Amino acid sequence: DAKTTQPPSMDCAEGRAANLPCNHSTISGNEYVYWYRQIHSQGPQYIIHGLKNNETNEMASLIITEDRKSSTLILPHATLRDTAVYYCIVRLLQGGSEKLVFGKGTKLTVNP
Amino acid sequence: KAGVTQTPRYLIKTRGQQVTLSCSPISGHRSVSWYQQTPGQGLQFLFEYFSETQRNKGNFPGRFSGRQFSNSRSEMNVSTLELGDSALYLCASSFSSGANVLTFGAGSRLTVL
Repeated sequence: DAKTTQPPSMDCAEGRAANLPCNHSTISGNEYVYWYRQIHSQGPQYIIHGLKNNETNEMASLIITEDRKSSTLILPHATLRDTAVYYCIVRLLQGGSEKLVFGKGTKLTVNP
Repeated sequence: KAGVTQTPRYLIKTRGQQVTLSCSPISGHRSVSWYQQTPGQGLQFLFEYFSETQRNKGNFPGRFSGRQFSNSRSEMNVSTLELGDSALYLCASSFSSGANVLTFGAGSRLTVL
């Protein structure tokens, strides 16, 4: 079951950075942090993942604390289209027989 | 390249009927996973198929079944439909089994009356 804790909801002003926190205090040394988002009535979309170094791609940045017990997904300039539920997932790089589990996630609302 | 295609997008059935949903994965992807999403339970894993073999299964009754064909296309079937089966059924594909980066389809929304 989900090994992460996320706030149920957050608000952000359009054009500002959205910082979505995730706690994963029981993460093991070889587990990665993955982020997905789900826009209303669509399938989840992969965003980014990382192990311990900060990661950045065209969609977002992922900041993982040095002790790896928490992380933050940053959307640098949020738009209305970023309104979605964001899921933080902790998992081994190769999950094997373990299924990918989505928790409740954080409902991000970007306001004009 | 084409994404994950699910058909039909919407369907309405009555209790007791059965339904078959189809999923065509991204070309080259050999793993297909199915999820059920409801407002109360969120996203719940149903099963995963890889190379025509079921690799993993969630906690759903035997009324829920699936299969995968040699071209990696997958179908899931729900028999003896109940009102609680009303949900968005999502299919996701990946190159390998147990992958963490999945590409999801838009889903099939099933309403059971």
